[in-house]
Amino acid sequence: AQTVTQSQPEMSVQEAETVTLSCTYDTSESNYYLFWYKQPPSRQMILVIRQEAYKQQNATENRFSVNFQKAAKSFSLKISDSQLGDTAMYFCAFMNGPQGGSEKLVFGKGTKLTVNP
Amino acid sequence: DTAVSQTPKYLVTQMGNDKSIKCEQNLGHDTMYWYKQDSKKFLKIMFSYNNKELIINETVPNRFSPKSPDKAHLNLHINSLELGDSAVYFCASSPRPAHYGNTIYFGEGSWLTVV
Repeated sequence: AQTVTQSQPEMSVQEAETVTLSCTYDTSESNYYLFWYKQPPSRQMILVIRQEAYKQQNATENRFSVNFQKAAKSFSLKISDSQLGDTAMYFCAFMNGPQGGSEKLVFGKGTKLTVNP
Repeated sequence: DTAVSQTPKYLVTQMGNDKSIKCEQNLGHDTMYWYKQDSKKFLKIMFSYNNKELIINETVPNRFSPKSPDKAHLNLHINSLELGDSAVYFCASSPRPAHYGNTIYFGEGSWLTVV
């Protein structure tokens, strides 16, 4: 079974600085998808960024980018120019590709990020 | 317009009661899900439906019964509520098939407290 590990339960960063959240995963599949979701205090789950395993290029979305290391099974999230509104729980998630069977998201335990003014 | 909407957002009820959470999506998606987030914030899938057909049932107690009257709705009924059922329940939807990398869109969650 696939597992997702987020080794940093909590992190903090000063406003305008850069922070990196770590995520590793375990799978024997070669085709899969990786996601970062943000959950602010409102509880809404918001997709931040996604990465297809077959793409070598790291995904970017404005201030958010990932460092995808397929061989190392690592998928870290970098937040540049941190803003107060980035304060939230961040969840790393994995989904099998079509040949891997179940189409469910497997989540890590989350990293609580606090952006300080 | 809310894409995935759940009602109620908050629910406090006594042990032993039966309750339902309703979910509707207006995205035209074929697949809908229920996820549970426990007190430690851990998220885990419970069920998924594709076009009213049960696809995933993740070893959830049979006190939990999902019902999908049409592909835009997936309701969750819980019988004989227990203290351990206290959690946030998220409804979600995605285009089918989600494991081609389609994004899963979540509702705002329904916070269930069993006392």
